[in-house]
Amino acid sequence: EPEVTQTPSHQVTQMGQEVILRCVPISNHLYFYWYRQILGQKVEFLVSFYNNEISEKSEIFDDQFSVERPDGSNFTLKIRSTKLEDSAMYFCASSADEKLFFGSGTQLSVL
Amino acid sequence: GESVGLHLPTLSVQEGDNSIINCAYSNSASDYFIWYKQESGKGPQFIIDIRSNMDKRQGQRVTVLLNKTVKHLSLQIAATQPGDSAVYFCAENRKGNFNKFYFGSGTKLNVKP
Repeated sequence: EPEVTQTPSHQVTQMGQEVILRCVPISNHLYFYWYRQILGQKVEFLVSFYNNEISEKSEIFDDQFSVERPDGSNFTLKIRSTKLEDSAMYFCASSADEKLFFGSGTQLSVL
Repeated sequence: GESVGLHLPTLSVQEGDNSIINCAYSNSASDYFIWYKQESGKGPQFIIDIRSNMDKRQGQRVTVLLNKTVKHLSLQIAATQPGDSAVYFCAENRKGNFNKFYFGSGTKLNVKP
């Protein structure tokens, strides 16, 4: 069964450093997303991406965040200068229509 | 320091019993709903979906009921198994904006053998 894959599964970084989280969406999907989940809290929408541009973004997705689809298979989330409060589980998702499928997540720890 | 986070409601059931997990939503524009299962350290796993023009949908061992009048959604799991133990979330999106899902806070299902 096709699935969304994310790498790395865990990322530890120092505050102020840049991180790139990587995702390979399901191959025939056209819509891509990043969500995050701070420990013990709800899953929160960050950004959606379609046709090589951002469709919608939340208030969380400020200038420190960016997304890119560098080739036909990868979808990345970059955080330019990480803050302590960026520590969370980051989930990539993709869809062909409304049905959203998630990857297993990258646990980001900012020290 | 102070711990901040959600205190998840927990539903404990005996193996073999049926489980009912509930979710309330507030926006009348909510148009499409998904139930997700999340096991510890993993991503949300799609279980079943329902559109607002339906009030019931069945899958394998699962049924979703939608009551638009009271803005309530439920997930019924038949013959609950230990492997069903997880946190269950409902997620909704709104008419004209299927890019963005809003997640509920979740219910922890604990299946006792």
